[in-house]
Amino acid sequence: DTGVSQDPRHKITKRGQNVTFRCDPISEHNRLYWYRQTLGQGPEFLTYFQNEAQLEKSRLLSDRFSAERPKGSFSTLEIQRTEQGDSAMYLCASIPSGSYEQYFGPGTRLTVT
Amino acid sequence: QKEVEQDPGPLSVPEGAIVSLNCTYSNSAFQYFMWYRQYSRKGPELLMYTYSSGNKEDGRFTAQVDKSSKYISLFIRDSQPSDSATYLCALTSGNTPLVFGKGTRLSVIA
Repeated sequence: DTGVSQDPRHKITKRGQNVTFRCDPISEHNRLYWYRQTLGQGPEFLTYFQNEAQLEKSRLLSDRFSAERPKGSFSTLEIQRTEQGDSAMYLCASIPSGSYEQYFGPGTRLTVT
Repeated sequence: QKEVEQDPGPLSVPEGAIVSLNCTYSNSAFQYFMWYRQYSRKGPELLMYTYSSGNKEDGRFTAQVDKSSKYISLFIRDSQPSDSATYLCALTSGNTPLVFGKGTRLSVIA
């Protein structure tokens, strides 16, 4: 257990519905990344926060995706109008100040039917 | 050419064997090199973290970086069935997202 928690662990939704995932990083870590991982692939970068500021977004992050990190603590990732291609594991990672080691949470597995 | 190439395996070895896992990369800006272990349906767990070229050892695990060849390796000595997992290499130039290989699936047979 890295100390990074994610909720829910598994979400099944119908195409067209909105879903929201939550990540609670290790409390003293000020940087947070979201990644998406599909079967047989390594995680791919989605977006990055330093404290409450969203500093970088991947081209993978379409307009249907939005992420927030209010007050620089927990973060949420929302997907609107889900599509079957959104089915994946969504991972968040937190990073301690002065380091580049990323500690991952257990992930949220999304299944869009 | 992908930025990071990793043989997906699967790799099957007997218990006690030495395992060698490798990645090659194309971006010479990468400075920080990590290996993660991922069990099925779990998040990646950081195993080793190295900076620049050289070796780093931690128990049964040794990470090796050769920046001149753009080649990184993870060696597992005295492999155990509990080492059966997917191993991911991940690289970054610093304050940039990790770039992962596809992962190598390892099975250690008792």
